[in-house]
Amino acid sequence: GAGVSQSPSNKVTEKGKDVELRCDPISGHTALYWYRQSLGQGLEFLIYFQGNSAPDKSGLPSDRFSAERTGGSVSTLTIQRTQQEDSAVYLCASSKKGTSGANEQFFGPGTRLTVL
Amino acid sequence: ILNVEQSPQSLHVQEGDSTNFTCSFPSSNFYALHWYRWETAKSPEALFVMTLNGDEKKKGRISATLNTKEGYSYLYIKGSQPEDSATYLCAFPPSGTYKYIFGTGTRLKVLA
Repeated sequence: GAGVSQSPSNKVTEKGKDVELRCDPISGHTALYWYRQSLGQGLEFLIYFQGNSAPDKSGLPSDRFSAERTGGSVSTLTIQRTQQEDSAVYLCASSKKGTSGANEQFFGPGTRLTVL
Repeated sequence: ILNVEQSPQSLHVQEGDSTNFTCSFPSSNFYALHWYRWETAKSPEALFVMTLNGDEKKKGRISATLNTKEGYSYLYIKGSQPEDSATYLCAFPPSGTYKYIFGTGTRLKVLA
């Protein structure tokens, strides 16, 4: 069956531009997560959605980052006025439920963002 | 600040060798511990979700153990093969929350 998909797979942008990253979770998965991995770092939690709601946005690194999810499905992570330190691989994951920490997450292939 | 640590950071082994690595996590408010395998150019793939102290899980040549009282989990690979080359990540959701904390991973390279 279809897994988690993300687009674009690669994005090169200039400093100061806005970018949108898209995630299509597995159908029926109510929980959706965004993470990023910067060079040499571990996976960093950004935001979690249960349905269309994000109960906690404190993982977003700055107010230039925002995310939304519509119809309990597709999610978009938007980075405004990109900076070079935003360069990273952005991963999306979904799971059947999010309120239990025992549900395995299914990851997408990631979007590699490079800010010049 | 909750921290998840993995060791070693990287590891090279010969084909056929058995190996193991460690994930350390806060022992208080334990709920679950996840292991993932992340191969280059692919998505992270779930290996195990462990919830019970003393639990041992196995998938083929890979197995994992869990000690929640002392806050560690071991991942073992028996008879390593080149296709086992990947980064192995562990993740800890504090008190069953959604804010998973990932370790930085152990990068395994199996030499043919």
